[in-house]
Amino acid sequence: KQEVTQIPAALSVPEGENLVLNCSFTDSAIYNLQWFRQDPGKGLTSLLLIQSSQREQTSGRLNASLDKSSGRSTLYIAASQPGDSATYLCAAQGGSEKLVFGKGTKLTVNP
Amino acid sequence: DAGVIQSPRHEVTEMGQEVTLRCKPISGHNSLFWYRQTMMRGLELLIYFNNNVPIDDSGMPEDRFSAKMPNASFSTLKIQPSEPRDSAVYFCASTSGGANTGELFFGEGSRLTVL
Repeated sequence: KQEVTQIPAALSVPEGENLVLNCSFTDSAIYNLQWFRQDPGKGLTSLLLIQSSQREQTSGRLNASLDKSSGRSTLYIAASQPGDSATYLCAAQGGSEKLVFGKGTKLTVNP
Repeated sequence: DAGVIQSPRHEVTEMGQEVTLRCKPISGHNSLFWYRQTMMRGLELLIYFNNNVPIDDSGMPEDRFSAKMPNASFSTLKIQPSEPRDSAVYFCASTSGGANTGELFFGEGSRLTVL
């Protein structure tokens, strides 16, 4: 059974800092790994999707990497801004076709 | 496209009442998912449909929960009778190209409170 873990549960950083969010998964037989953002009271917004054959994906100040062999993915946010404050969730999609989510990292970027 | 549309956004009901949550997926998407989110358990997949057919309902917690997708543009999640432990935010999501290939798009969620 796939399990996805995100550590830390919460992170607070000053504006402008580069930061890394971590995601680990127990079953390396995945189709893809997705990162989402959730604002309070809102749904999830897809940020990046990494297919199992890929090592990383980039979108603007965001870069997500995938290392299947170690069961890890990271989301790198460059030059963080207060508007980046949100909860970031990763999700692994495996052979059961289910997307299994971590519980998220709540990020606060202080001006 | 307006995205995935869910209704109601908020529902407060009393224990024992029937609750129906509704979802309109993005036009052209052929897979639809119902998730439940709580602080304790995070996001849990309840059921998903592909081409209007339920593929996996193993996440549905009890027989009190049922879901239907009568056509490609509409799905319902029903709880009857509701209990306080059903209080959560219920999300609907859709994707194209099958359940294991596509970017997932979420609705804004239906926040259910059962008193």
